[in-house]
Amino acid sequence: AQSVTQLDSQVPVFEEAPVELRCNYSSSVSVYLFWYVQYPNQGLQLLLKYLSGSTLVKGINGFEAEFNKSQTSFHLRKPSVHISDTAEYFCAVSDRGSYIPTFGRGTSLIVHP
Amino acid sequence: DAGVIQSPRHEVTEMGQEVTLRCKPISGHNSLFWYRQTMMRGLELLIYFNNNVPIDDSGMPEDRFSAKMPNASFSTLKIQPSEPRDSAVYFCASSFSSGGYEQYFGPGTRLTVT
Repeated sequence: AQSVTQLDSQVPVFEEAPVELRCNYSSSVSVYLFWYVQYPNQGLQLLLKYLSGSTLVKGINGFEAEFNKSQTSFHLRKPSVHISDTAEYFCAVSDRGSYIPTFGRGTSLIVHP
Repeated sequence: DAGVIQSPRHEVTEMGQEVTLRCKPISGHNSLFWYRQTMMRGLELLIYFNNNVPIDDSGMPEDRFSAKMPNASFSTLKIQPSEPRDSAVYFCASSFSSGGYEQYFGPGTRLTVT
């Protein structure tokens, strides 16, 4: 079974600064990769996903992530954050062909004015 | 589409009482997941249904928990009897198995057992 490590439990950043949220997973077999965002008192919603093809994936709200197979990583980036990006971000991984993802513990992104 | 619908949004009950959480998945989705989220344990998968059939219930904590999916548009998660350690936010999510594998989450039910 996969394990997912989100290295930072909390990332504080100032508005308009760039940010990177890190995600590493355990297995080197073919995988599907996801980033979800959870705003306060809401469910998770998909930011972006990697199933195959280009390793650079663009998502909603200006976020992007890069799949690095050799490093088993899928880090999330945004060049300039807004106050409204303050939320919990979850990385999720599933083995290719599986419908059951393993979620990381989440990273709390806190954007300060 | 209304998205995944969960009810109630908040539930406060006393220890020992039966609790039933409800979920209506997105129309056309054939996979349904129940999760529990706590600060201590993060997001835990409790049970996964595909085409209304439970496929993986290895995450169900104990016999006090049960889940059903009588049809494609409705599922319940029942806790009987409830205990304070069951306090958490419970999410239902659905997906389409021939789609892009992403899950669509409901808004959650915040359960407090006193």
